[in-house]
Amino acid sequence: GAVVSQHPSRVICKSGTSVKIECRSLDFQATTMFWYRQFPKKSLMLMATSNEGSKATYEQGVEKDKFLINHASLTLSTLTVTSAHPEDSSFYICSARGGTSGRSREYFGPGTRLTVT
Amino acid sequence: GENVEQHPSTLSVQEGDSAVIKCTYSDSASNYFPWYKQELGKRPQLIIDIRSNVGEKKDQRIAVTLNKTAKHFSLHITETQPEDSAVYFCAALGGADGLTFGKGTHLIIQP
Repeated sequence: GAVVSQHPSRVICKSGTSVKIECRSLDFQATTMFWYRQFPKKSLMLMATSNEGSKATYEQGVEKDKFLINHASLTLSTLTVTSAHPEDSSFYICSARGGTSGRSREYFGPGTRLTVT
Repeated sequence: GENVEQHPSTLSVQEGDSAVIKCTYSDSASNYFPWYKQELGKRPQLIIDIRSNVGEKKDQRIAVTLNKTAKHFSLHITETQPEDSAVYFCAALGGADGLTFGKGTHLIIQP
């Protein structure tokens, strides 16, 4: 079945640095990718929707200049956390959907644990 | 890390019948198991969850069961209705990692 990968699975960075997280669809072309943030013991929070070749759509309250999203190809979307702070420490999950209709199946990546020291 | 398997990938049931979706997990340290419902064109929404200190939880027509020994958990929907048609995802949370999702089940309610 379809597989979505994320890299890295875990990253530790110092406060003030930037970190890039990759989300790849391995055996299908993902026209749309979603980025979520998961807080401890809580549900997912949608951060943004990324469409290939266009600007990402951010959810209310998510700083687009801090969380840069680039969907450069049909198999890759990247999330860059700029000038990271300890409060950015979290688990970030992407999901990918192939096709342009809402009927296309969506698959979740394994997530990336970001720790900012 | 955790590995979550979900079955079936597609489930078709007659309206009014029950539907059961099953998931297994690999990490015995996992202790929180949410279920998400994704309706057509919408984002996944949390519909019910269960923690490892209980074996069953009900909310109206929806119930979840957890068997820690066998490391599997299930979603049960009774008296299914057309609005139950959606993709359902199970997930497991354990250790220092975040949620690991199953690949989803497309539930189709036949009128």
